[in-house]
Order: sequence, then structure tokens, then C-alpha cells
Amino acid sequence: DAEITQSPRHKITETGRQVTLACHQTWNHNNMFWYRQDLGHGLRLIHYSYGVQDTNKGEVSDGYSVSRSNTEDLPLTLESAASSQTSVYFCASSSWGFGDTQYFGPGTRLTVL
Amino acid sequence: KQEVTQIPAALSVPEGENLVLNCSFTDSAIYNLQWFRQDPGKGLTSLLLIQSSQREQTSGRLNASLDKSSGRSTLYIAASQPGDSATYLCAVMDSSYKLIFGSGTRLLVRP
Repeated sequence: DAEITQSPRHKITETGRQVTLACHQTWNHNNMFWYRQDLGHGLRLIHYSYGVQDTNKGEVSDGYSVSRSNTEDLPLTLESAASSQTSVYFCASSSWGFGDTQYFGPGTRLTVL
Repeated sequence: KQEVTQIPAALSVPEGENLVLNCSFTDSAIYNLQWFRQDPGKGLTSLLLIQSSQREQTSGRLNASLDKSSGRSTLYIAASQPGDSATYLCAVMDSSYKLIFGSGTRLLVRP
């Protein structure tokens, strides 16, 4: 069955370190998204991609970057982790239609000490 | 700037009750509205998607309505069951195809 996976599921790191969170989908979806979920804020969009070599900034993109070199993967990089980036991160994908349902991964819980 | 609000933040009901979850949004220029379910420690699962031209969508015991002009949506759950316990998230897709989420309603259905 097609799916969307994230790794690692849990990560503890130190302030200032570079961290990369992986997202891999086997739906062959064109669109991929990264969100963070914090208490009191719901999910907020970090970056998104509408296809290979396409990346766009979302609402809370400062301190994060993404690259899209193939259809299946959209890794999220924290260039220099900060305590404010402690959160649960969700990756999602959707098909060619921009208004289509998004399918979410299980999430990565990141703690920055 | 689009803002999405969900009331109540938490709800506890006995099994078998019919219940309504509310979602409001500030900008009526939306592409669609979606309801998601989130179980603890898990990702989001799409429940219902209502296009901006539609008034409601139904799936089993779930019915979602949309009143774009008043900026409101409701999710109606009939004959609630303990397995319905989860957090329910409302999200609107804006004109640039980005999803804006509410903070969710945490539902507990007591046996």
C-alpha cells in the first residue's frame, strides 16, 4: 500500500546543531508539505513543494530549509537548531490537484536542548 | 490574514450522544474546508472535504456543513462511540491553496 513515512520518529538534539528530518512518500504525489504542531497554535505550514526542484516558504519558514530532488522525498533541514524549534513535525503530500486532500505522515517529535 | 477558530477546545460526552463541533473562519474566500481526525501520537486522517461551492458532505455517521458567507462549518457526529475519541481539526484552504488549521477540539466519548 502507498504510504508516507517520516524518520526519525523521535529526535533529541542540542542548540546550534544541524538537523535533518526525512519524509518519504510512495503515493507518487506531486505536492509535499511540512508543518509544525505546537500547543495553542494548531498546525502551521513551514515549507511546501509543488514538484521536483520547486520549493516555497510557508508561514513559519525562518530557520528551516527544504530541497526537492525527486518526487518521493522532501527532507526538512534545521540549519542551526534553536529551543523554539522544539515541536512535532508533520509531513504531508497531495496529488496533482492543488485542492486535493493531503495525506499526513506519523510525525517526528523533535526536542532541542 | 485568515484565522480559524474551533469551539469548544475540549468536549466530554457519554456514549450514544449526537454532538456538534464548531469551526469558524475570518475570510470567506476559501477554496475548500476539510475536517481531520488526529489520534494521540499519530498523524492526521482526512474525514471530510467540502468544496467552496458545496453546503455539506456526509460519510457514515459524520456530516459536515459549510456556510461560507457566515464563515462557519460544523461537524456533526451521530450516535458517538468511544472509538470516536480523538482530536478533530478543521482546516480551510485559502485562495493560494494553503491549508490554515484551527487548534482542534479534543473529544472524549465515555463508555
